[in-house]
Amino acid sequence: GAGVSQSPSNKVTEKGKDVELRCDPISGHTALYWYRQRLGQGLEFLIYFQGNSAPDKSGLPSDRFSAERTGESVSTLTIQRTQQEDSAVYLCASSLAWVGELFFGEGSRLTVL
Amino acid sequence: AQRVTQPEKLLSVFKGAPVELKCNYSYSGSPELFWYVQYSRQRLQLLLRHISRESIKGFTADLNKGETSFHLKKPFAQEEDSAMYYCAPHQAGTALIFGKGTTLSVSS
Repeated sequence: GAGVSQSPSNKVTEKGKDVELRCDPISGHTALYWYRQRLGQGLEFLIYFQGNSAPDKSGLPSDRFSAERTGESVSTLTIQRTQQEDSAVYLCASSLAWVGELFFGEGSRLTVL
Repeated sequence: AQRVTQPEKLLSVFKGAPVELKCNYSYSGSPELFWYVQYSRQRLQLLLRHISRESIKGFTADLNKGETSFHLKKPFAQEEDSAMYYCAPHQAGTALIFGKGTTLSVSS
């Protein structure tokens, strides 16, 4: 597709379960970001991948959160032992260069019961 | 430390009134400055970037390096401008950190 694609669009899970969220960036985009947006809140930076450089994980809120990226393609955000406070929309974005316009996916809405 | 501040969480104006959404930043070096917008039920998207010096949908943003501000302005707000607006200074090669956002509500 032409844009950033995220799946699933909606995920409902029980507290304590693990979840995986997937992001397919725009082909050729070297930079990939994950953000979290809680209801009524702003964007919270989670992690940033840039080419083959070590990712910037400084925004991950706890060691229950991790992310991987295969080369310059798909990324997966994993949340282990989910908690109710993890409920949010998780947004992925990609960018062609070191600095420039970010293109966002529609997000994955996670609800932890 | 890099910091971006959007002091207003909510800005409510009447249609036709001028609008100014404030953004102040504290960064080492010279970041590029962006404004992003999120309309209801739409993806977050770029509104404008300083380097382009464009006016998009009637919005402009002036970079004031002395005050380290990048306020977004529009002389006559329209109802379709109602959205969440994010300021984003970006230092090349680093993560793009957004401000907390300002919700603009334009009513008739």
